[in-house]
Amino acid sequence: AQKITQTQPGMFVQEKEAVTLDCTYDTSDQSYGLFWYKQPSSGEMIFLIYQGSYDEQNATEGRYSLNFQKARKSANLVISASQLGDSAMYFCAIGRDSSYKLIFGSGTRLLVRP
Amino acid sequence: DSGVTQTPKHLITATGQRVTLRCSPRSGDLSVYWYQQSLDQGLQFLIQYYNGEERAKGNILERFSAQQFPDLHSELNLSSLELGDSALYFCASSGRLAGDNEQFFGPGTRLTVL
Repeated sequence: AQKITQTQPGMFVQEKEAVTLDCTYDTSDQSYGLFWYKQPSSGEMIFLIYQGSYDEQNATEGRYSLNFQKARKSANLVISASQLGDSAMYFCAIGRDSSYKLIFGSGTRLLVRP
Repeated sequence: DSGVTQTPKHLITATGQRVTLRCSPRSGDLSVYWYQQSLDQGLQFLIQYYNGEERAKGNILERFSAQQFPDLHSELNLSSLELGDSALYFCASSGRLAGDNEQFFGPGTRLTVL
């Protein structure tokens, strides 16, 4: 069975600062992927970044980077230079890969202060 | 725009009724997933279809059923509706390209059961 834990229900960050959203996971699969999605108040699910379990380098996509520590089973999302538009719910998810079901964490609500 | 379409956007109905939610995946994607997002259960995987065949099942109630048609669109049927079925129902798709590390989510159908 797979499980995702997001321990921060809510977080604040000042505009233009960096913020780290925590995600720990549990899985018995040798090969898996970790995903981060953003859900603004409008409700849609926006894909942000993906990390494969065998990827040696941390994934980056623009202002998003994933701090992947396999031994600690953590996959934290780092958002650099926060913008007001980053205020949203953020979900971490795990799946064997994108062709299989995703198991989501409970999410972290991020509020960016001007 | 993810390329995944869902109809209707909103649905309000009464307890005991039956509704059908429709999803069209991205062009060429063979896999369709249904997820339910509710306040108490969070984001939960319901069921996956791949090229017309059921591939994986999650915590889907017996009152719920789904299918994927030859043109790859999918429908989620919810019957004998209860107040607790009120939720945001997402459809996602994946699988067009090898190495596509993303599930593409539709905008969701918000179901309200009164």
